[in-house]
Amino acid sequence: AQSVTQLGSHVSVSEGALVLLRCNYSSSVPPYLFWYVQYPNQGLQLLLKYTSAATLVKGINDFEAEFKKSETSFHLTKPSAHMSDAAEYFCAVSEAGGSYIPTFGRGTSLIVHP
Amino acid sequence: DGGITQSPKYLFRKEGQNVTLSCEQNLNHDAMYWYRQDPGQGLRLIYYSQIVNDFQKGDIAEGYSVSREKKESFPLTVTSAQKNPTAFYLCASSTRPNEKLFFGSGTQLSVL
Repeated sequence: AQSVTQLGSHVSVSEGALVLLRCNYSSSVPPYLFWYVQYPNQGLQLLLKYTSAATLVKGINDFEAEFKKSETSFHLTKPSAHMSDAAEYFCAVSEAGGSYIPTFGRGTSLIVHP
Repeated sequence: DGGITQSPKYLFRKEGQNVTLSCEQNLNHDAMYWYRQDPGQGLRLIYYSQIVNDFQKGDIAEGYSVSREKKESFPLTVTSAQKNPTAFYLCASSTRPNEKLFFGSGTQLSVL
């Protein structure tokens, strides 16, 4: 069965600092992994997707994530936070055992201080 | 522009009332989904459909019903059996389940 754990419901960083949002997954087979972003009162938008082509995945707005099979992790990073990055971030997993229907984590709220 | 449209943006339900949330997409996607979002709980799957005239229950289907009579439409009815309906409801679509999901802007449902 597939599941996703996002460590930390809130992460606070200063503008210009490194952003690290953690995601660990549980899957019995190689999964597809996603990061989505949600701004207040809106739907979710895709940041990036892992499909096994490369372990380091680059997304929009300088975000990237690294797939580490040994750690079952897919952490999201950004070298330098911007005020506009303040939002809710969701990790999601999709695998054959779950008919590829995406399962989402509980989300991490990123707070950026000036 | 192609996209997915949810309406209304805000909806209020009275005790014992059924209400229907609309979801329309013009992306020609086969798969459509309904998720419920509560603060701190992420997105939980209510129902999904991978093809017209077929749909499956998700993790929290009790108190909800759906239909998929047309490829572009996937309405969700919140019935009176759903005792705690206050939440943000998100509709999404994709070409296939393992592909990127496109989301609508959501409907906030509250109880009067």
